Amino acid sequence: DTAVSQTPKYLVTQMGNDKSIKCEQNLGHDTMYWYKQDSKKFLKIMFSYNNKELIINETVPNRFSPKSPDKAHLNLHINSLELGDSAVYFCASSGPIGSYNSPLHFGNGTRLTVT
Amino acid sequence: DAKTTQPNSMESNEEEPVHLPCNHSTISGTDYIHWYRQLPSQGPEYVIHGLTSNVNNRMASLAIAEDRKSSTLILHRATLRDAAVYYCILRVASGSARQLTFGSGTQLTVLP
Repeated sequence: DTAVSQTPKYLVTQMGNDKSIKCEQNLGHDTMYWYKQDSKKFLKIMFSYNNKELIINETVPNRFSPKSPDKAHLNLHINSLELGDSAVYFCASSGPIGSYNSPLHFGNGTRLTVT
Repeated sequence: DAKTTQPNSMESNEEEPVHLPCNHSTISGTDYIHWYRQLPSQGPEYVIHGLTSNVNNRMASLAIAEDRKSSTLILHRATLRDAAVYYCILRVASGSARQLTFGSGTQLTVLP
């Protein structure tokens, strides 16, 4: 069973389009995250949700809007896509927010290419 | 955030031990040391974490210096499947910010 699953695995789209990436975790975790890995392989936190509530919102353009319909899902919607949005996006989840040593479990990423 | 420093790359021979170093001279007393690895085309994977004492699990061992300013991840017998980027991370637990902040990591190459 896949613990953290993301769809789609690959996404190719044109500038200006709007797209969504979905993430689901079946680990019963309370906290979910979105990370972005650019072409230089740096992984940066974008957002974190705890029990459907936004708790971390790093300096990310407001074209990016996370949505958490329930604890097990955290989707990422991106409006007006730009070339610089091309990257691999990783979803992750972890245990209760008070247990800050709970390991993060990552999905296998969504490779977004904007042309 | 306290930073970590790792070598950009290391090589090891298959079935030999590998010692991956990490410096974190500005670590604070409550920061845990976490290690993750990222295999090609996959998401990061948790390896091990510790605070002060050395830690062992089925994947690796973590040796933490007495002053906590450095640590070493030990893979006891490297296999080709251990070729990955290894990240040493200090887990920030202040306020609500409990995310992991990744550095550039060490690219481990395992030679057959």
